[in-house]
Amino acid sequence: DAGVIQSPRHEVTEMGQEVTLRCKPISGHNSLFWYRQTMMRGLELLIYFNNNVPIDDSGMPEDRFSAKMPNASFSTLKIQPSEPRDSAVYFCASSLGDSEADTQYFGPGTRLTVL
Amino acid sequence: AQSVTQLGSHVSVSEGALVLLRCNYSSSVPPYLFWYVQYPNQGLQLLLKYTSAATLVKGINGFEAEFKKSETSFHLTKPSAHMSDAAEYFCAVRNPLGAGSYQLTFGKGTKLSVIP
Repeated sequence: DAGVIQSPRHEVTEMGQEVTLRCKPISGHNSLFWYRQTMMRGLELLIYFNNNVPIDDSGMPEDRFSAKMPNASFSTLKIQPSEPRDSAVYFCASSLGDSEADTQYFGPGTRLTVL
Repeated sequence: AQSVTQLGSHVSVSEGALVLLRCNYSSSVPPYLFWYVQYPNQGLQLLLKYTSAATLVKGINGFEAEFKKSETSFHLTKPSAHMSDAAEYFCAVRNPLGAGSYQLTFGKGTKLSVIP
């Protein structure tokens, strides 16, 4: 299996621009998670999808952030407009289900720099 | 609410020495516990997990961790460090019951350096 695939791996953009991060979960997994990693706050869960439906978006920082999962094999995280404080590494993870023992498998991450 | 505390943001050991990375958790119910490793510029990879079976859990790459309820700890150990173990290690807790049971709460991470 290819694992969780994220693109792009690196993104440099200017403040005010729209940024779209992409994720392809492991085939057959029905839970998908978006995390953000920063030095100050560590790893934070932004949003959780189960069977393509957003279950918990309480971690999304503000309305500038939105996430979609149009089908079981694709999800996007969009920031519009972007700000320098959004600079971070964004990880996508997927798991087979949402039971307590299910392992979350992480993608390689997208390093976002907003100038 | 659950939380994880990792003692020491940076640990250095000599090659061949014991690795001990500390993790203490706070949870209102018996938790599930995980250790993940992150190599530079990569995602997180599961090392091992405790899900209420055996309290001593063996993982990949020679690592193991012991769940100690009385100490609310889940420390990660490896008898002999290898240069390839240099990475950042994250402890995570998950409440197995009720709403939000999918949510992993991560510690701040411990960066392990291995000195030749």
